[in-house]
Amino acid sequence: AQSVTQLDSQVPVFEEAPVELRCNYSSSVSVYLFWYVQYPNQGLQLLLKYLSGSTLVKGINGFEAEFNKSQTSFHLRKPSVHISDTAEYFCAVSSGGYNKLIFGAGTRLAVHP
Amino acid sequence: DAGVIQSPRHEVTEMGQEVTLRCKPISGHDYLFWYRQTMMRGLELLIYFNNNVPIDDSGMPEDRFSAKMPNASFSTLKIQPSEPRDSAVYFCASTPSSGRAYEQYFGPGTRLTVT
Repeated sequence: AQSVTQLDSQVPVFEEAPVELRCNYSSSVSVYLFWYVQYPNQGLQLLLKYLSGSTLVKGINGFEAEFNKSQTSFHLRKPSVHISDTAEYFCAVSSGGYNKLIFGAGTRLAVHP
Repeated sequence: DAGVIQSPRHEVTEMGQEVTLRCKPISGHDYLFWYRQTMMRGLELLIYFNNNVPIDDSGMPEDRFSAKMPNASFSTLKIQPSEPRDSAVYFCASTPSSGRAYEQYFGPGTRLTVT
């Protein structure tokens, strides 16, 4: 069975500092990996996805993530955060040919001035 | 495109009442998902449809919950009778089966409060 573990429930950071949100997954088959962002009182929207190819994936708003198969990780990074990045971030996994996503518990990113 | 549309945005009801949540997926998307989000349990997949047919309803918590998709542009999630523990935000999402597969487009959610 697939599962997703987000290692940090909350990450506080100062504005313009770098940030990394950690995500580990478990799956016995090839996977597709996603990061979604949820701003307050809104639905989730896709930040980036890994389906195949380059293990470094760039997304919207300056975020990027690296797929590491040996460590079964898909950590999300941004070199310099803004106040507007304050939101909840969800890592998700889907096995090939299958549209069902399994979401992690979420990481709340709080950017302080 | 207007995106995924959900109604109502907020619903407050008393325990024992029937609640119906509605969703209109993005035109041309043939997968539709219903999720529930709570502080305690996070984001849970309740059920999903492909071409209006329920594919996996293993996440539906109990018989009080039912979901239908009578056509490609409309789905409902019904709770009868409602209980306080059903209080949550319910999201609908849709995705096409090809092209940008796996990229789920979420609606704004319905915040349900059962008193």
